[in-house]
Amino acid sequence: AQSVTQPDIHITVSEGASLELRCNYSYGATPYLFWYVQSPGQGLQLLLKYFSGDTLVQGIKGFEAEFKRSQSSFNLRKPSVHWSDAAEYFCAVGAGNNNDMRFGAGTRLTVKP
Amino acid sequence: ETGVTQSPTHLIKTRGQQVTLRCSSQSGHNTVSWYQQALGQGPQFIFQYYREEENGRGNFPPRFSGLQFPNYSSELNVNALELDDSALYLCASSLGTTGNNEQFFGPGTRLTVL
Repeated sequence: AQSVTQPDIHITVSEGASLELRCNYSYGATPYLFWYVQSPGQGLQLLLKYFSGDTLVQGIKGFEAEFKRSQSSFNLRKPSVHWSDAAEYFCAVGAGNNNDMRFGAGTRLTVKP
Repeated sequence: ETGVTQSPTHLIKTRGQQVTLRCSSQSGHNTVSWYQQALGQGPQFIFQYYREEENGRGNFPPRFSGLQFPNYSSELNVNALELDDSALYLCASSLGTTGNNEQFFGPGTRLTVL
């Protein structure tokens, strides 16, 4: 079965600095990969997804992620972080059916003024 | 277009009780998945319903059960509540069951078991 590891539990960056959140997955075939954001007390909002094709995917709110099969990674990046980006970020991997999507434990992002 | 809604927002129960959580899927979506998110963890898949039938289940005991209605809304029932059932319960709806169908999440129901 597929699984996801997010190595960083908590990251702090200064406003305006660049951001990279790490995600490593385990799955035997080509995975479906997702990044979600969760603000306190809220549900999950999809930032971006990868199914196939171009390995660099653009998402909402200025986020992008790159699929690297050789490293089993799908890291999330943003060139310049805004205070409103402070939230919990989850990487997820899905299989051919979406009835068993696996989430990582999440990375909490704090943005310093 | 109305998004995914869940009720109630918060719920407090005691050990041994039973609880029912409700989810209204986004318009046109025939698939609903339920997730449990314990504090400080990522969501864990409980089960999925597609056109009123269970279509996959995660590693949860039978006291977690569900229903989907003809209008595709759904219920999650948990019997014999345990302290560890305290969590945020999320439902997500999608247009279908394949992996490339985006799941849209509701705001969740926060369940506390005392």
